[in-house]
Amino acid sequence: GAVVSQHPSRVICKSGTSVKIECRSLDFQATTMFWYRQFPKQSLMLMATSNEGSKATYEQGVEKDKFLINHASLTLSTLTVTSAHPEDSSFYICSARVKAGGYNEQFFGPGTRLTVL
Amino acid sequence: AQSVTQLDSQVPVFEEAPVELRCNYSSSVSVYLFWYVQYPNQGLQLLLKYLSGSTLVKGINGFEAEFNKSQTSFHLRKPSVHISDTAEYFCAVSVGITGGGNKLTFGTGTQLKVEL
Repeated sequence: GAVVSQHPSRVICKSGTSVKIECRSLDFQATTMFWYRQFPKQSLMLMATSNEGSKATYEQGVEKDKFLINHASLTLSTLTVTSAHPEDSSFYICSARVKAGGYNEQFFGPGTRLTVL
Repeated sequence: AQSVTQLDSQVPVFEEAPVELRCNYSSSVSVYLFWYVQYPNQGLQLLLKYLSGSTLVKGINGFEAEFNKSQTSFHLRKPSVHISDTAEYFCAVSVGITGGGNKLTFGTGTQLKVEL
């Protein structure tokens, strides 16, 4: 099946530093990946849509300069949280879109827990 | 714009009992509906989806859901739950011809807690 990995699974950083999270499609190519953010005991909120070879599309209210997204290849998208602050602490989940049986479906990664001290 | 409502934030149930997790949606266009399960500190796993056709959809782990257009509902059911079903369940909706490949709008989730 379609497998999506994320690295790291957990990261702790100091306030003011930048953190990069990788999202990889392991056994398929994904022209489109999505980045979600999930606060404790809350739902997933779409942050941005990442398209290979072009700029990401951000949802309303998401700071483009703070959450940098790069989709440099068909199997890798990265999310960089710049100048992280404690309020950026969250669970970040990516998904990759793949065509399965004539239908486009999203497959989700296992998530990355970011803690900013 | 579409929205999803999961009225029950928590549902406690005894093992081997039936369970229903409720989901209602609103949309001005045709929708595609999904149920995902999330175990602690993990990503989402697709349980089942409704794209078209039969309104009764069967998924993995013995779960099923019924699409009711008139009531704009997509409730998830399981006739007999197991302790391993304890998890967070999210209902989601997508619009557009590419179904779930488009943006997904999630409900707030229902925590299913199966007790012995």
